[in-house]
Amino acid sequence: DQQVKQNSPSLSVQEGRISILNCDYTNSMFDYFLWYKKYPAEGPTFLISISSIKDKNEDGRFTVFLNKSAKHLSLHIVPSQPGDSAVYFCAASGRRTSGSRLTFGEGTQLTVNP
Amino acid sequence: NAGVMQNPRHLVRRRGQEARLRCSPMKGHSHVYWYRQLPEEGLKFMVYLQKENIIDESGMPKERFSAEFPKEGPSILRIQQVVRGDSAAYFCASSLAESSYNEQFFGPGTRLTVL
Repeated sequence: DQQVKQNSPSLSVQEGRISILNCDYTNSMFDYFLWYKKYPAEGPTFLISISSIKDKNEDGRFTVFLNKSAKHLSLHIVPSQPGDSAVYFCAASGRRTSGSRLTFGEGTQLTVNP
Repeated sequence: NAGVMQNPRHLVRRRGQEARLRCSPMKGHSHVYWYRQLPEEGLKFMVYLQKENIIDESGMPKERFSAEFPKEGPSILRIQQVVRGDSAAYFCASSLAESSYNEQFFGPGTRLTVL
């Protein structure tokens, strides 16, 4: 029962262009969403989050969009840089159902080519 | 300004041995979470603890696995009688408060290999 899905295992983008990473969820009780970035042999690093009362949150080059009706969120990185190459995980939590636990997607490997 | 600390970073055990994984949360954080990442998969929640209390252990296997977060010292994830299927990366995260609207900060992980 994969409640958070990232359907693209990998994405390759040219430096300077936009990277768009997608995430879908099935549990309508999720009300907080996060994106983490992970380099090999390191722990996930928090990037950006959004609560369900918003549809957009922006932080520098990173913007997260939430479409509640479609149960879909996306992370936009613009402009993409080679240092952005990493695995990106989408995660979700729901205060009323799953409490504090995070439910993660499978991850998308982003490669930004110079 | 230390982040979440985990040790050891790498742990090799033979089948049937015990594995003990340690996690020290960020300074001021009293909420600890353990996640497991099997090869080619995402992170899966195992257990959520506060000091001296297990709050949610619904992701823990029913046997051989236990966790604690004592009043003093690090949180410990203990795996008894390890099997090859326990080989994975185990990540600890901490948060300042109950984490529905607070991000969890992750440690570097412990990579357990069972021979």
